[in-house]
Amino acid sequence: AQSVAQPEDQVNVAEGNPLTVKCTYSVSGNPYLFWYVQYPNRGLQFLLKYITGDNLVKGSYGFEAEFNKSQTSFHLKKPSALVSDSALYFCAVRDRVSGGYNKLIFGAGTRLAVHP
Amino acid sequence: EPEVTQTPSHQVTQMGQEVILRCVPISNHLYFYWYRQILGQKVEFLVSFYNNEISEKSEIFDDQFSVERPDGSNFTLKIRSTKLEDSAMYFCASSGKGALETQYFGPGTRLLVL
Repeated sequence: AQSVAQPEDQVNVAEGNPLTVKCTYSVSGNPYLFWYVQYPNRGLQFLLKYITGDNLVKGSYGFEAEFNKSQTSFHLKKPSALVSDSALYFCAVRDRVSGGYNKLIFGAGTRLAVHP
Repeated sequence: EPEVTQTPSHQVTQMGQEVILRCVPISNHLYFYWYRQILGQKVEFLVSFYNNEISEKSEIFDDQFSVERPDGSNFTLKIRSTKLEDSAMYFCASSGKGALETQYFGPGTRLLVL
């Protein structure tokens, strides 16, 4: 079965420092991976996705993620964190049921706190 | 930029009552989904819907749940007889044609069953 793990409940970063939010996955076949962000009292906002091609994927708000097949990881990164990046971040994998239009399987989420 | 919208934003209901949660997907999208997030837990898939029928559903989506696209724009989730454990944030999502299309989520409806 497909699964996603986010090993850190919370990540604390000082403003201006680089940030990394970790995600590892377990899938059969090629993975389709996503990052979403949830601000307080808001829905899930799409940040970026990996389908195929370049291992470094660039997304919204200066975020990027690196796909590493050998480590089965898809860590979210940003070179310089902002206080406004503080939110809940979810990694997700698309469950590739044949013939289906496929559900997302989410990790538990990582709360990012960026301190001034 | 087009968005998925959901109403109401909050709903409080008594156990055993029926609730209908409403969603307006992005207008040219063809695939529709409901997910839920119980407080402090993961976002969980409930159901996907395409071409006026359910394409996949989870174990959570039992006979108490149903979905409908009544008028070509709205997409609804009905819970026939709510239970305490149905209290959660319910998210609607939609995506375009093709299995690789991104799912875009609405802001959610927070349902509280008393």
